Amino acid sequence: DAKTTQPNSMESNEEEPVHLPCNHSTISGTDYIHWYRQLPSQGPEYVIHGLTSNVNNRMASLAIAEDRKSSTLILHRATLRDAAVYYCILRGILNNAGNMLTFGGGTRLMVKP
Amino acid sequence: EAGVAQSPRYKIIEKRQSVAFWCNPISGHATLYWYQQILGQGPKLLIQFQNNGVVDDSQLPKDRFSAERLKGVDSTLKIQPAKLEDSAVYLCASGSTKGGQGYEQYFGPGTRLTVT
Repeated sequence: DAKTTQPNSMESNEEEPVHLPCNHSTISGTDYIHWYRQLPSQGPEYVIHGLTSNVNNRMASLAIAEDRKSSTLILHRATLRDAAVYYCILRGILNNAGNMLTFGGGTRLMVKP
Repeated sequence: EAGVAQSPRYKIIEKRQSVAFWCNPISGHATLYWYQQILGQGPKLLIQFQNNGVVDDSQLPKDRFSAERLKGVDSTLKIQPAKLEDSAVYLCASGSTKGGQGYEQYFGPGTRLTVT
């Protein structure tokens, strides 16, 4: 699997936007970019995914560089409940059985009141 | 919709003992995954099932770990005998094979295992 690189930790103030970067310079043309987050003492939860175009959902936005070698997860207004470890994961085209997720170390986001 | 259920939530055993974890995936999800998460690290896949068949168990330490999903619904992960380095959170996830690429996985709360 192609590798991703994320900062170990980031800090944000409550109610401010947060931009979480991810580098994936060896991404292949068929790799999707997935983001999951893991709140304390919980299992990971899906946040968003994309292939080439920027994506928005109720939780976040995903901005993908034109060359696809990097992406940024954007939380528009951070809350204390957004404090979590955020994982950027590359996932190939699914076969009928589905592909596993290969987690790296992620970015620990701390939100200050 | 009920989420992925796991039990027990916590387990403490001595090394060389055996332990079993249970997972009930979201109804209708054909794919089931077991992950191991050591403190401070991201989850690592142990085994992936599609219905009751194994798709990938390349990272499962088969000398001590076993898993089954006999009827294609719930699943059991067993460790026998346990070692100190097996202390971790064991996460179960399920996913649907409907639709195109990039479907999401849904994770349970995990079972925290401590081996003393």
